[in-house]
Amino acid sequence: GQQLNQSPQSMFIQEGEDVSMNCTSSSIFNTWLWYKQEPGEGPVLLIALYKAGELTSNGRLTAQFGITRKDSFLNISASIPSDVGIYFCAGQLGRGSQGNLIFGKGTKLSVKP
Amino acid sequence: DAGITQSPRYKITETGRQVTLMCHQTWSHSYMFWYRQDLGHGLRLIYYSAAADITDKGEVPDGYVVSRSKTENFPLTLESATRSQTSVYFCASRALSGVNTGELFFGEGSRLTVL
Repeated sequence: GQQLNQSPQSMFIQEGEDVSMNCTSSSIFNTWLWYKQEPGEGPVLLIALYKAGELTSNGRLTAQFGITRKDSFLNISASIPSDVGIYFCAGQLGRGSQGNLIFGKGTKLSVKP
Repeated sequence: DAGITQSPRYKITETGRQVTLMCHQTWSHSYMFWYRQDLGHGLRLIYYSAAADITDKGEVPDGYVVSRSKTENFPLTLESATRSQTSVYFCASRALSGVNTGELFFGEGSRLTVL
């Protein structure tokens, strides 16, 4: 089946540093989503991208839908301790009611105060 | 403002027992999903449902049964639990139509341990 390659698997950074993670696939996606999961909780949607080339921000988070529609990245600027968690990318092949999400395996972010 | 709720949050059972995990959503979303989350595998889709009385298999359906008699409920049953089904299970839902139909909303998870 389709797979998303998410990297890096984990990151251990200092508070204040910027973070970058990405997802790539051999398949073309129509939607890219980025989720954050904190310990003991379910994933929560951070950013949704619907058009190739789209760049969207949510506070200190910025995500882009790659031009080829096969990749997406998420940047976090000036990280803080509450950014700790696992970040998942997800791609949807179809539009609307078509196509379930395919998830990357996650990037585990640790932030040292 | 309940959104999507799962129960139980934690469950310990023995091999061979039947277990049912409950999921309830208050948004009237058409689609509901069950995922399992394991180290090294991320989130894997077990079953999903597009509407009441419509269900379909996901990536890892073996050993699981679902039903959807009402739009708001989507229970997941392990008919004879095995140790390999020890996992964290997440229920999720999304709308049928509109711009944001790709966006899933997750419950808080049910942690199941099979001894």
